[in-house]
Amino acid sequence: GQNIDQPTEMTATEGAIVQINCTYQTSGFNGLFWYQQHAGEAPTFLSYNVLDGLEEKGRFSSFLSRSKGYSYLLLKELQMKDSASYLCAVRANTGGFKTIFGAGTRLFVKA
Amino acid sequence: ETGVTQTPRHLVMGMTNKKSLKCEQHLGHNAMYWYKQSAKKPLELMFVYNFKEQTENNSVPSRFSPECPNSSHLFLHLHTLQPEDSALYLCASSQGDRGFHSSNQPQHFGDGTRLSIL
Repeated sequence: GQNIDQPTEMTATEGAIVQINCTYQTSGFNGLFWYQQHAGEAPTFLSYNVLDGLEEKGRFSSFLSRSKGYSYLLLKELQMKDSASYLCAVRANTGGFKTIFGAGTRLFVKA
Repeated sequence: ETGVTQTPRHLVMGMTNKKSLKCEQHLGHNAMYWYKQSAKKPLELMFVYNFKEQTENNSVPSRFSPECPNSSHLFLHLHTLQPEDSALYLCASSQGDRGFHSSNQPQHFGDGTRLSIL
């Protein structure tokens, strides 16, 4: 079967760095996405990894290790507006391509 | 503005009512999706339309009926819903799914319809 695990909640301080982890078990792995979702709003695309390593995009970076079934999203120089849910999603080919979402990690940024 | 518009934003209905949710995308995409989002649970994929053809029905009860008249519009018709169907219903679109070559295409989501069943 397919399974995605991420912490339910995290709290961090403005200006700090936070790492949100995601582990997955799936067959036919075909890429991993991170989305940000503010309360009452649409999820928005942050990053995509399909090869091992780190992808950097401004204050946000995403890492993937396919052999370990592991990814993390790294947020630097945290701002209050970064308080949101962060969704890890895996695209898999299981007799057809499908994107499976984790339950999301709620990040609280405090002053 | 994500390019995906859902209406209504909020809907309260009784269990015997019939209503429809509407989704429209202005991104030129060819794949559209319905998801259910309940508190503290993963996004649940309900239906997928790829180039106007339904390619996924994720064991969704028949009281939910999708319709995709063209690649820009997607509807979810609701009939005789249950209290446990109360949730946020999200529509998304992406470039048409042609397998591996579409792997890096993210989905663009609407703001959702908050549905409450009395």
